[in-house]
Amino acid sequence: GNSVTQMEGPVTLSEEAFLTINCTYTATGYPSLFWYVQYPGEGLQLLLKATKADDKGSNKGFEATYRKETTSFHLEKGSVQVSDSAVYFCALSYSGTYKYIFGTGTRLKVLA
Amino acid sequence: GAVVSQHPSWVICKSGTSVKIECRSLDFQATTMFWYRQFPKQSLMLMATSNEGSKATYEQGVEKDKFLINHASLTLSTLTVTSAHPEDSSFYICSAYSGTADHQPQHFGDGTRLSIL
Repeated sequence: GNSVTQMEGPVTLSEEAFLTINCTYTATGYPSLFWYVQYPGEGLQLLLKATKADDKGSNKGFEATYRKETTSFHLEKGSVQVSDSAVYFCALSYSGTYKYIFGTGTRLKVLA
Repeated sequence: GAVVSQHPSWVICKSGTSVKIECRSLDFQATTMFWYRQFPKQSLMLMATSNEGSKATYEQGVEKDKFLINHASLTLSTLTVTSAHPEDSSFYICSAYSGTADHQPQHFGDGTRLSIL
């Protein structure tokens, strides 16, 4: 079946450190892939997306590349800030429906 | 653009009462809305998919009679938790979808924290 596996958190980094949050998926067909961010007590905000192989999504310094050969969509940022502290969710939308399958979420804490 | 408003943001009520949560798409027409439940420090669990003018499709294990969903217009869906009990306490999040292709993202509301005493 379709699934998303996300690295377990929490991830604790110092400000200006490099961030990678791993996300791999299994899916039939060609899913679209998304990263969402959730700040405490809030809903989810779309961070970036990619709809086909080799697409790179980017926003606010975050990037992720749709790698079909490794079925991955790892989230990266070159220099994190305290304000990036949040929970990050990887998700896929699979063919035939508009439903999402979410990963378990990764909590990021950035220290000043 | 693509703003989804969810109301109320926080509700506390007594056991046995019913609670209605509204989800509105403010600047677009939502062909489909989704309702999720999120437990503390956990991922989102899809409860149901709601299409305008038709009955909601519930995920396995979700009680239809407990969680009533109405999607009367292209901009409004409601979730009613009937005869709520403490175990229904949770964070409920809606999302709205306007596209006809998989690559369109869902747009999420800010969630409703429900506490049943």
